[in-house]
Amino acid sequence: QVQLQESGPGLVKPSQTLSLTCTVSGGSISSGSYYWSWIRQPAGKGLEWIGHIYTSGSTNYNPSLKSRVTISVDTSKNQFSLKLSSVTAADTAIYYCARGSRYCSGGGCFPNWFDPWGQGTLVTV
Amino acid sequence: SYELTQPPSVSVSPGQTASITCSGDKLENKYASWYQQKPGQSPVLVIYQDNKRPSGIPERFSGSNSGNTATLTISGTQAMDEADYYCQAWDSSTAHVVFGGGTKLTVL
Repeated sequence: QVQLQESGPGLVKPSQTLSLTCTVSGGSISSGSYYWSWIRQPAGKGLEWIGHIYTSGSTNYNPSLKSRVTISVDTSKNQFSLKLSSVTAADTAIYYCARGSRYCSGGGCFPNWFDPWGQGTLVTV
Repeated sequence: SYELTQPPSVSVSPGQTASITCSGDKLENKYASWYQQKPGQSPVLVIYQDNKRPSGIPERFSGSNSGNTATLTISGTQAMDEADYYCQAWDSSTAHVVFGGGTKLTVL
């Protein structure tokens, strides 16, 4: 059973870069057709997709965050990471990592649903 | 950009049927997924591809998607079902994931 666990600093200063890592256990991050994703949730608010990295290494980011986001993968450690630059108080949120299952249709391939999710980590700016 | 709209809150009596809607332009042409989130916990997938239940999710959870609306239905609602529920879809025009704003289900 695949499990995900976020880790990283809980406090980041404004204008600095937020860095988080998601460790995948119970399965290889390189196998299967999955989108390894980051999703965040400000306190008392809804979910916001940040972006993902596919098993092949290709990435896709939320247009509203694209200029500040980098998602990468380290297959040797079975981890993937998030970097969000130039943070402000608006980036304060619980950050979740999740596995997106791939679905392909005539319009292309994309993450169709997310399961499982990590427990989340609170990052305060 | 594509938007998914959910009612902020829905109330239901124990044992009754709860319906939570998610509206979006031509949503029936996309797959909808639903997540349950209890206070202090991570979201949990309860429905995917409109109407499929992951293993371990009770049969009382079901889903449908027609026209501009996807619906999560909880039959015989129990107190343990009280949570926030989020719908989600993929917007192919912008190539990104979209979540609804969430619905707080209260079991009175």
